[in-house]
This record gives sequence, structure tokens and C-alpha cells, in this order.
Amino acid sequence: GAGVSQSPSNKVTEKGKDVELRCDPISGHTALYWYRQRLGQGLEFLIYFQGNSAPDKSGLPSDRFSAERTGESVSTLTIQRTQQEDSAVYLCASSLLTGIAGNTIYFGEGSWLTVV
Amino acid sequence: SQKIEQNSEALNIQEGKTATLTCNYTNYSPAYLQWYRQDPGRGPVFLLLIRENEKEKRKERLKVTFDTTLKQSLFHITASQPADSATYLCALLELDTGRRALTFGSGTRLQVQP
Repeated sequence: GAGVSQSPSNKVTEKGKDVELRCDPISGHTALYWYRQRLGQGLEFLIYFQGNSAPDKSGLPSDRFSAERTGESVSTLTIQRTQQEDSAVYLCASSLLTGIAGNTIYFGEGSWLTVV
Repeated sequence: SQKIEQNSEALNIQEGKTATLTCNYTNYSPAYLQWYRQDPGRGPVFLLLIRENEKEKRKERLKVTFDTTLKQSLFHITASQPADSATYLCALLELDTGRRALTFGSGTRLQVQP
């Protein structure tokens, strides 16, 4: 596609429910990244994919968070048993290759999650 | 501990002046550093990349410097315009870990007054 697409753009969920956030990267981009941004804060790294593999999951805040990528394309970030502290914007980004090459990273507009 | 620090206070300047934003880091050995612009409610947009063996990079009205001795990058916008008002984020790729994803600072908000 023309850019990184994320859905839903906004999600309000009740505490304890599970949510799935979807990311469609730019076609042909092998690297895909998930970040979290709380209101007024910087970006917090969650996980990245090289193809369909996730070499580094150390940024995931707890075992309630998981992510997968299939077909070297779409990725889904799942948050189980949501808590109020999960409220944030979840940003997805993609690049042609992973970081060391210094490729431009393109961000989506984010999925705004509010847990009530 | 590893830290990337940007001035959390907003920077207010007059139109036409040069804006200078600072990014300091500790306990990192970055391969390169990038600067992004983020508007409210939007995702960050890439502006410039500077590698650890480069001292300065320019793109139109933007200039970035990188001093690995001081562990600092400066981001300059010359002849600033109200449309430059946004939050500017610095990010680096750490060499010493296996992580191939950027680590971001918390950003500095720039407000250019007409």
C-alpha cells in the first residue's frame, strides 16, 4: 500500500477485555515495529519483526502482550485482559530492512486505545 | 542506565529565527541517530539520519550535528516558520545490543510564533 495502515484508529474497551490491533506495512518492507506512546510521552519500543520472526520481544510490558506477523505482511498486536495503564497510542512502523542499514522508517497514524 | 534526553520544556521562538533542539544520550554506542517530526494525533515522520562517523547533515532548512565525544546531537531549523511548530523526536540505533529497532527520546515541542 501507499503507507502503513493501522486499524482500528480508535478503540474504547472495558477493563479485562482482550483487544487486537492490526498493522498493514508498506508492501515489500521486511521489517515491522510496534511502539507504544502514552499521552505526552515518547515512544516506547515493544517488539520488531524481521520477516515473520521476532528477534527481540524484550519490550513487551507483560505476558498479556503478544504479537505475530504472517506472510511477511500484516501484523497483529494482542493485549489480553486489558488494564487502564494499557491506554495509549500503539504505533506501527515498517522499513525496507531492519535498523542497521539505516533505512527510513515509516509510521502509521496509530491505534488509540482507551481502557475504561 | 541508558538514557536519551531531550528538553521536555517547550521551545518558543519567533518566526524567522533559528530553532536549536538538543538530544543527549548516555551509555549508548549508536550506529546512527535520526530526527523525526510528530504533529498532534499523528505518527512520527522521518526527517534526517546522521551516522556516527558524520559530523553534520543538511536538508533544506534543517541541519543536524552529531558529536560522539559529547554524546550529543543538535537539530537546527533555520528561518523558522509557524508551520514548523510540532514535537521533534530524536532516536538512535544502539550498536552493542542485538536490537535492530530505534530507541526514542521523549521529544521537544517547538512553537514558532508569527
